Amino acid sequence: QVQLQESGPGLVEPSETLSLTCTVSGGSISRFYWSWIRQPPGKGLEWIGYIYSTGITNYNPSLKSRVTMSVDTSRNQFSLHLRSVTAADTAVYFCARDSPPRDFWGRGTLVTVSS
Amino acid sequence: QAVVTQEPSLTVSPGGTVTLTCGSSTGTVTAAHYPYWFQKRPGQAPKTLIYDTNNRQPWTPARFSGSLLGGKAALTLSGAQPEDEAEYYCLLSYSGARVVFGGGTKLTVL
Repeated sequence: QVQLQESGPGLVEPSETLSLTCTVSGGSISRFYWSWIRQPPGKGLEWIGYIYSTGITNYNPSLKSRVTMSVDTSRNQFSLHLRSVTAADTAVYFCARDSPPRDFWGRGTLVTVSS
Repeated sequence: QAVVTQEPSLTVSPGGTVTLTCGSSTGTVTAAHYPYWFQKRPGQAPKTLIYDTNNRQPWTPARFSGSLLGGKAALTLSGAQPEDEAEYYCLLSYSGARVVFGGGTKLTVL
C-alpha cells in the first residue's frame, strides 16, 4: 500500500519561501506523476502542479511564477518550493500521486504564513 | 484559465437521491475532460470516489455513480447515508495537461 507523508515547517514568514517534502513509501516514485494540492482555511481545493519522476513539471498558471517542484528518486521524495509567500498562501498542503486514478494522498500539513 | 462550477450546497434526506453537477466555463464537459469526483471530510485527505467520468475506486460504495448529464459531469448518490455528509469536489483536465478543481459542494444529509 502506497503511503505519502508531507513534512516541512508549519510557519513561514511573509516574503519567504515555503518548502515542503513528500516522502513516498510502499512503492516506487519512478514512472508516476506526483502533485501538490492545497486548501486554504474555509475554501476549496487548488491544484498547484505536478512533477513526473524524470523531473518534468507542470504548474498552475496562477502560481507558476512562484513555484518550483523537484524530485529525488533515490530518496523516494518530491518537493515543493513556493516563493514570496503572503497570508493568502496559508493552507493545508497535500501531496498526492497524480497518475490515474489519483488514488493515494498524504494526510496534509498546515502551513501558516505569518510574522 | 477555465473555471469549474459546482453547486455550493445541497441537502438530501436519508435514503434519498441527489445529483451533484460539475460544469466548465469553456463549454460542454465531455469524457475528454476525464472527470474526477473526490469526497472531502474536515481534517482528512480527499478520497477519490470516481475517475474518468464513471469508474469507481475499489472503496467507493455502489450508491455513488458518475456520468455526463446535460453538458456537465455529474455525481449521483442513490440511497444517501448519514456518513455521506461531506464536501464533494470535481476535477477536470484541460489541454496542456492542466487540471482545475471545482469550488466544491457541501452535501448535507438531513
